[in-house]
Amino acid sequence: GQNIDQPTEMTATEGAIVQINCTYQTSGFNGLFWYQQHAGEAPTFLSYNVLDGLEEKGRFSSFLSRSKGYSYLLLKELQMKDSASYLCAVMDSNYQLIWGAGTKLIIKP
Amino acid sequence: DVKVTQSSRYLVKRTGEKVFLECVQDMDHENMFWYRQDPGLGLRLIYFSYDVKMKEKGDIPEGYSVSREKKERFSLILESASTNQTSMYLCASSPGGGVAGELFFGEGSRLTVL
Repeated sequence: GQNIDQPTEMTATEGAIVQINCTYQTSGFNGLFWYQQHAGEAPTFLSYNVLDGLEEKGRFSSFLSRSKGYSYLLLKELQMKDSASYLCAVMDSNYQLIWGAGTKLIIKP
Repeated sequence: DVKVTQSSRYLVKRTGEKVFLECVQDMDHENMFWYRQDPGLGLRLIYFSYDVKMKEKGDIPEGYSVSREKKERFSLILESASTNQTSMYLCASSPGGGVAGELFFGEGSRLTVL
């Protein structure tokens, strides 16, 4: 079956760096996506990786290793507003998104 | 700004009632999707549509139907609501071109079935 694994919850300190991991086993691969979802709000697109390596976008970076079935989202200079759930999703060979359950990130002052 | 609007943020219905969840997008997107989101689970795809009057079953279509009579509107219908359909329902859209997988979501409709 298809599976996306990510930690349920993580805690980090304001101003620090946090890495949220995502491992996947899917039927084919057509890209990996990260979304941010604040409590009670819509998920919003953060990043997309289809080739191995690091994609940087301001304070957020996303890394992909296709051979290891592994990605991480790196958040730098954490701010209180980064408290949210982070969803990892993989597009499979049928171009359908397979979603992880999400990682709830708690930022403490 | 891109906008996906879901008609109701919160609904409470009784078992057996027919429920309509409406979703409208103002971005002229071809693709529209209905997901449900439950604690501890990833988003699960109920139905999707790539064009007007077209619909495809997702992973969990049982107990649901959809309608897409106009490009901007995608409705989810629960013919006879049951308690196991209590959930958060998320509508999303995406353009026909561009990065497949970059979805624009509505804020969700939280349905409680008693």
